[in-house]
Amino acid sequence: QVQLQESGPGLVKASETLSLTCHVSGGSVSSGIYSWHWIRQSPGKGLEWIASVSHSRKTNYNPSLKGRLTIRVDTSRSQFSLEILSVTTADTAVYYCAAVLTGGDYFHYWGQGSPVTVAS
Amino acid sequence: SYVLTQPPAVSVAPEKTARITCGGKNIGSRAVHWYQQKPGQAPLLVISYDGGRPSGIPDRFSGSNSGDTATLSISRVEGGDEADYYCQVWDASGDHPVFGGGTKLSVL
Repeated sequence: QVQLQESGPGLVKASETLSLTCHVSGGSVSSGIYSWHWIRQSPGKGLEWIASVSHSRKTNYNPSLKGRLTIRVDTSRSQFSLEILSVTTADTAVYYCAAVLTGGDYFHYWGQGSPVTVAS
Repeated sequence: SYVLTQPPAVSVAPEKTARITCGGKNIGSRAVHWYQQKPGQAPLLVISYDGGRPSGIPDRFSGSNSGDTATLSISRVEGGDEADYYCQVWDASGDHPVFGGGTKLSVL
């Protein structure tokens, strides 16, 4: 059973860089069994997919946010991360990390979410 | 980009059947997954591949998918079913998931 746990700053100032990390336990982040994703949910809003990375380090980004995003895998620490550049108040959200079985197309595992507030 | 449309809210009386729709162009040709999200919690998969139930999900939850509409049905609705429900498909062209806007289910 894979378990995911996000960690983040909680509060970040506008124009700064937001860095989030998702620790993976119960499975290897480099095994190739899963692809790793970030999804966010703004207050009172729906789910928005942000980015993904596969075991082969192939990355994919939401076009509406592309240019501000970097997703990475750190196999030595069994985690993957997300950076969002130049945040604004519109980036205030709960950020979830999640896993999709390779070849599948739904989210098998979710973290509990990391709330982030961007202060103006 | 592919768009999924859900009604913002559905209300149902206890013990009745709730039906939540998810509209998309020719969605019947795609696999649809449904998540339940309660306040302060992460989404929970309740239906996979149109009508499959993950382990631990009651058989009161079922799904169907045809034409331009997929439907999540919850029979014998209980107060504990109050939640937001999201449909999701995979956009193969962009290789990323697409979520519907979500439906808030209220039990009267």
